[in-house]
Amino acid sequence: GAGVSQTPSNKVTEKGKYVELRCDPISGHTALYWYRQSLGQGPEFLIYFQGTGAADDSGLPNDRFFAVRPEGSVSTLKIQRTERGDSAVYLCASSLLTGEGTGELFFGEGSRLTVL
Amino acid sequence: AQSVSQHNHHVILSEAASLELGCNYSYGGTVNLFWYVQYPGQHLQLLLKYFSGDPLVKGIKGFEAEFIKSKFSFNLRKPSVQWSDTAEYFCAVKNGATNKLIFGTGTLLAVQP
Repeated sequence: GAGVSQTPSNKVTEKGKYVELRCDPISGHTALYWYRQSLGQGPEFLIYFQGTGAADDSGLPNDRFFAVRPEGSVSTLKIQRTERGDSAVYLCASSLLTGEGTGELFFGEGSRLTVL
Repeated sequence: AQSVSQHNHHVILSEAASLELGCNYSYGGTVNLFWYVQYPGQHLQLLLKYFSGDPLVKGIKGFEAEFIKSKFSFNLRKPSVQWSDTAEYFCAVKNGATNKLIFGTGTLLAVQP
C-alpha cells in the first residue's frame, strides 16, 4: 500500500487480556517507530526499530510491553496483562532514512485500544 | 532529558487572523525540528521541517516556522488562517544521537468562519 497500515483500527479488550497490534510500514522504509497517544497529549515515544533490531526501546513503560520486527518490515506491538491505563491510540510510523539530517516520519491512522 | 513545550493548548481564531504557535525545546546539541498537523479524523502529517541552513522554513499550505537557536524555539506562523486550518498542531524534536522524535503536547486550533 501507499501508506503505513495499522490493524486493528479499534480493539476493545478486558483487563488482564493479551493484545497484539500490527503495523505494516511503507515498503522500503528501514526505520519503524511506535508511539502511544492519550487524550489531550502528544504522541509518546515507545520504541524504534532500525531494520530487525530495536535501536531504542527506552519508551516502553514496563515489561508488559514488547515489540518485534522479525523480517525488518511488519512490526507487532504486544501488550500482556492489559490494564485500564493502557487505553490509548497506538501510532506506528516509518521512515526511509535515519540519522542526522534525514528521517521524516510517516504515520499510520493508529490503533485505538480500550481496556475495560 | 530532551523535551518539547508547546505553551498554547487551545487557540481560537477568526478566519484571516494571523497565527503564531509557540514551541520550545530543551536539548543542547544539534537538532532536527518538525511541525506535524492532525486534521479531524486523519493521521499525523508533516507540515514542515528544519534540518540546517536558512532558519526560516516554509511548509505546506502557507505555513512557516523560524528556528531561533539562542531561544531554543521553533514557532509556527501563518499570516492568514482559513477555516480548513482547524486541526491539532504538534511540534517535535529529534536529535541526531538518538533518532528518537519527541513530541510536544499539541495545540488545538479552531478557526471560526
